[in-house]
Amino acid sequence: DVVMTQSPLSLPVSLGQPASISCRSSQSLVDSDGDTYLHWFQQRPGQSPRRLIYRVSKRDSGVPDRFSGSGSGTDFTLKISRVEAEDIGIYYCMQGTHWPLTFGQGTKLDI
Amino acid sequence: EVQLVESGGDLVQPGGSLRLSCAASGFSFSTTWMTWVRQAPGRGLEWVANIKEDGSEKHYVDSVKGRFTISRDNAKNSVNLQMNSLRAEDTAVYYCTRYARSPDVWGRGTLVTVSS
Repeated sequence: DVVMTQSPLSLPVSLGQPASISCRSSQSLVDSDGDTYLHWFQQRPGQSPRRLIYRVSKRDSGVPDRFSGSGSGTDFTLKISRVEAEDIGIYYCMQGTHWPLTFGQGTKLDI
Repeated sequence: EVQLVESGGDLVQPGGSLRLSCAASGFSFSTTWMTWVRQAPGRGLEWVANIKEDGSEKHYVDSVKGRFTISRDNAKNSVNLQMNSLRAEDTAVYYCTRYARSPDVWGRGTLVTVSS
């Protein structure tokens, strides 16, 4: 199984400051079709998860442009340019290239 | 509006069975893979099962193989998860999601508690 390792697991932030979360996979996430199926999800307290970024760097509709994704192969990053109060929650990376699908452990973003 | 509504969660004894359902609306259900993802209390997300558009292909996480069965009814726009031989470690909120190489739309979840 592909192991997804996020760091840090806890990220204290200040409002208006940038934040960065790393996600590393135990195998390359480049699929045979050439695409890389690495995605990022946000889960606010008491809510269902919500997809923010798909295929490494594509922002979902309605996601603020302060969120950005980057990376390739086995090394990926989610960046928030300026943290706002509504960004508090847990962030998960997930790979959809290999079966079984696997998630990272989650990174808790708090102030 | 794209919507997924789960139902069927309950308190069940170890070894028991439960059937979860998910009603989909607002998108072309019969042309979309569907997924179940679960989250144990205070824990992270765990993918459980996927089913192809026509039901011809299914995938499961190892821990539920042989115990859980995912199915769908495209005429009713619904996807189900039959859970047998339930264990305490199956206790979780179960989310139904639309799947397009990643879960892009999530329901609110339904709570399954396995306890005596």
